[in-house]
Amino acid sequence: ETGVTQTPRHLVMGMTNKKSLKCEQHLGHNAMYWYKQSAKKPLELMFVYNFKEQTENNSVPSRFSPECPNSSHLFLHLHTLQPEDSALYLCASSQTGTSGEETQYFGPGTRLLVL
Amino acid sequence: GQNIDQPTEMTATEGAIVQINCTYQTSGFNGLFWYQQHAGEAPTFLSYNVLDGLEEKGRFSSFLSRSKGYSYLLLKELQMKDSASYLCAVRDSNYQLIWGAGTKLIIKP
Repeated sequence: ETGVTQTPRHLVMGMTNKKSLKCEQHLGHNAMYWYKQSAKKPLELMFVYNFKEQTENNSVPSRFSPECPNSSHLFLHLHTLQPEDSALYLCASSQTGTSGEETQYFGPGTRLLVL
Repeated sequence: GQNIDQPTEMTATEGAIVQINCTYQTSGFNGLFWYQQHAGEAPTFLSYNVLDGLEEKGRFSSFLSRSKGYSYLLLKELQMKDSASYLCAVRDSNYQLIWGAGTKLIIKP
């Protein structure tokens, strides 16, 4: 257990569905991240929230919509996805601004399959 | 562009030693991380290097040479549970983590 939880763990959706991924961190961190992990590829940073404010949006298609209601919770809203969006979606959190390691701690991920 | 290179796959024998290399070219450097990821699980933090030299943590050690843009993760007394992917990541001048594709380590009895 890393102190970061994600639900659901597995999700199958059609291209016309709307679904949401949820992430919660119990570490008291001030930053949260969404990553996409595809087989044999580096982790792709999608979004970063620092103190609930979005600070990074790495050219992610608008069919992915993040929401951060508070520093402990992060959502990723999905709609009209494409089959190439099938991947493992990882949430992470860290404590920034400490001029130290600022290590990111990951949740177990949501395995998404788009049909 | 920014790039992290590490071998795709390595095989080693239980009880042996294995070294996983990572070379990087990034815009700036603010630390290098190694993570372990078992199949279907979260990446878990192993080590952090920001200064040159060797950091030892039990059976695992990590080395950094900033002038060469090079790091390695050394795993000693390999156990079957060490079968996993090992991810190298560098924090650049914008404090973003740049990730390698990971090295899948297979341990054989």
